[in-house]
Amino acid sequence: GQQVMQIPQYQHVQEGEDFTTYCNSSTTLSNIQWYKQRPGGHPVFLIQLVKSGEVKKQKRLTFQFGEAKKNSSLHITATQTTDVGTYFCAGLGNTGKLIFGQGTTLQVKP
Amino acid sequence: DTEVTQTPKHLVMGMTNKKSLKCEQHMGHRAMYWYKQKAKKPPELMFVYSYEKLSINESVPSRFSPECPNSSLLNLHLHALQPEDSALYLCASSQGEVSEFTDTQYFGPGTRLTVL
Repeated sequence: GQQVMQIPQYQHVQEGEDFTTYCNSSTTLSNIQWYKQRPGGHPVFLIQLVKSGEVKKQKRLTFQFGEAKKNSSLHITATQTTDVGTYFCAGLGNTGKLIFGQGTTLQVKP
Repeated sequence: DTEVTQTPKHLVMGMTNKKSLKCEQHMGHRAMYWYKQKAKKPPELMFVYSYEKLSINESVPSRFSPECPNSSLLNLHLHALQPEDSALYLCASSQGEVSEFTDTQYFGPGTRLTVL
């Protein structure tokens, strides 16, 4: 079936370093959504990308959607301790359902 | 108001108990969802309601029974659960006017369920 692979599974960074998580789909996606889940919390919507090659920025966060609409990335510049959590991508596939990646858990050392 | 509320926050139940989880949203959303999330895993879709009708059941065991009494409320009735059903149960909603998954999903805080 349709899958969305997300890497890395875990990332430990020093505060101030950059961080990137990547998602790859086996098939073309209609859109891709990104969520952040803090430890003990629930997923919170960050952004949705729809167009091929789309790039969106939210302060220190940069989201990209690949030209083929099969891959996406989230890049955080100069991480802060408040960035700690698990970041999930979720792609809308040809099944009409949202397919979540496995998530990347970010730890930031102060 | 972009809030989805869920009650209770925590629930401990025995395998013979019957309990219900409740979810409420007042955003006028037409699609509502139940997800199950195990530790360190992504949310796993269970059910989708669209315009108060069940549109997707992801082959969930019958010991989980969803109900949508009206457009703002979503319940999940639990009966004869197993210890492996222990998880965080998340409710979500989206505008869902065109199709269920094209719009942003707003998640509730979840109910942390423990089955003894």
